[in-house]
Amino acid sequence: AQKVTQAQTEISVVEKEDVTLDCVYETRDTTYYLFWYKQPPSGELVFLIRRNSFDEQNEISGRYSWNFQKSTSSFNFTITASQVVDSAVYFCAYTSRQLTFGSGTQLTVLP
Amino acid sequence: ETGVTQTPRHLVMGMTNKKSLKCEQHLGHNAMYWYKQSAKKPLELMFVYNFKEQTENNSVPSRFSPECPNSSHLFLHLHTLQPEDSALYLCASSQDQRDRSGNTIYFGEGSWLTVV
Repeated sequence: AQKVTQAQTEISVVEKEDVTLDCVYETRDTTYYLFWYKQPPSGELVFLIRRNSFDEQNEISGRYSWNFQKSTSSFNFTITASQVVDSAVYFCAYTSRQLTFGSGTQLTVLP
Repeated sequence: ETGVTQTPRHLVMGMTNKKSLKCEQHLGHNAMYWYKQSAKKPLELMFVYNFKEQTENNSVPSRFSPECPNSSHLFLHLHTLQPEDSALYLCASSQDQRDRSGNTIYFGEGSWLTVV
């Protein structure tokens, strides 16, 4: 069965620091997709990125970047120059058929 | 503005009440989902509808009854709930739900349910 592990339960950083959220997955599938979602206190899960298993290129979107490494089954997420508005719970997710979420990482960015 | 809207955003109900959660998606998708998010638990998939047909029921108790009249609307009817059912209920949609499609699932803001 697929499994997604986000070992960091809570992280606190001071504004403008860089922070990396870790995500490790387990699978026997060769074709799969990985996602990151952001959940602010309001509750909505906001889609951030989707990556398929054949595309190992890293991606950068503004202050956000993602590092996908199949060799270590990891899909880590880095926020550069963090801001208070980045405070949220971040979920990593995996699917080859049914979407499986990690337990989430609570990120708090302090002013 | 989110493409998936849920109402009500907050609901408090007694254990003998009957209420419904409503979800509407404006994305032209064909698959819709209900997820439950309890405190300190991972997101749990409850139901999936694809082209109005239920394709997944993740062993959900019968006191939760979904209804999907068309691809844009999804309801969750609630009846004789228990306090442990208090949670955030998230509706979501995706293009469709074919096996291995990997379509992105878009979520609504959720309905915070408290059962007293």
